[in-house]
Amino acid sequence: GAVVSQHPSWVICKSGTSVKIECRSLDFQATTMFWYRQFPKQSLMLMATSNEGSKATYEQGVEKDKFLINHASLTLSTLTVTSAHPEDSSFYICSAIFSGRPLYNEQFFGPGTRLTVL
Amino acid sequence: AQSVAQPEDQVNVAEGNPLTVKCTYSVSGNPYLFWYVQYPNRGLQFLLKYITGDNLVKGSYGFEAEFNKSQTSFHLKKPSALVSDSALYFCAVRDRAAGNKLTFGGGTRVLVKP
Repeated sequence: GAVVSQHPSWVICKSGTSVKIECRSLDFQATTMFWYRQFPKQSLMLMATSNEGSKATYEQGVEKDKFLINHASLTLSTLTVTSAHPEDSSFYICSAIFSGRPLYNEQFFGPGTRLTVL
Repeated sequence: AQSVAQPEDQVNVAEGNPLTVKCTYSVSGNPYLFWYVQYPNRGLQFLLKYITGDNLVKGSYGFEAEFNKSQTSFHLKKPSALVSDSALYFCAVRDRAAGNKLTFGGGTRVLVKP
């Protein structure tokens, strides 16, 4: 149980286009999802916290107009990278919190999406 | 603010030997502590966590970690390493009073040689 999926697993796009990444909790309801980005050989950096039915909370330095997050249901959050540029190329990972006990508040991570912007 | 330090970028160990990956943390309150493992181009897999109770926590794949409050450490250990344990390991902390945000250490690459 507690499986999180991401789609697509990898994407290549042209500079200036927008890319949408989906994060789904497959067998549980996730009241909160998180979006991270990871550069090669570096740690995960939290970009934003996504709560179902409300606006996402962005970390300092993350452009909310560039990285649009929508959490429309308890099992789906989407991250849209708008007007992507090569510097947006990264590995994007989502996680979801399972609010039921005994796994209360534990984060489960998706497999990641590798974005390459040409 | 909460922070995590993993002082070693890489740990090399021979197969069958004990493996230790170090982690120290800083939080203002009581911590939740986690270890995750990441294989190339994959997301994070949960290994173990400390919430409360026994300071020695046993997790997946034979890993364990000891919570040491006085030293603010949560080192990951495995008595006998396998080549398949070669991966990137992350320690993470969550301040119980600061919501659900996880703060990750920089990661330690483990290389187990046959």
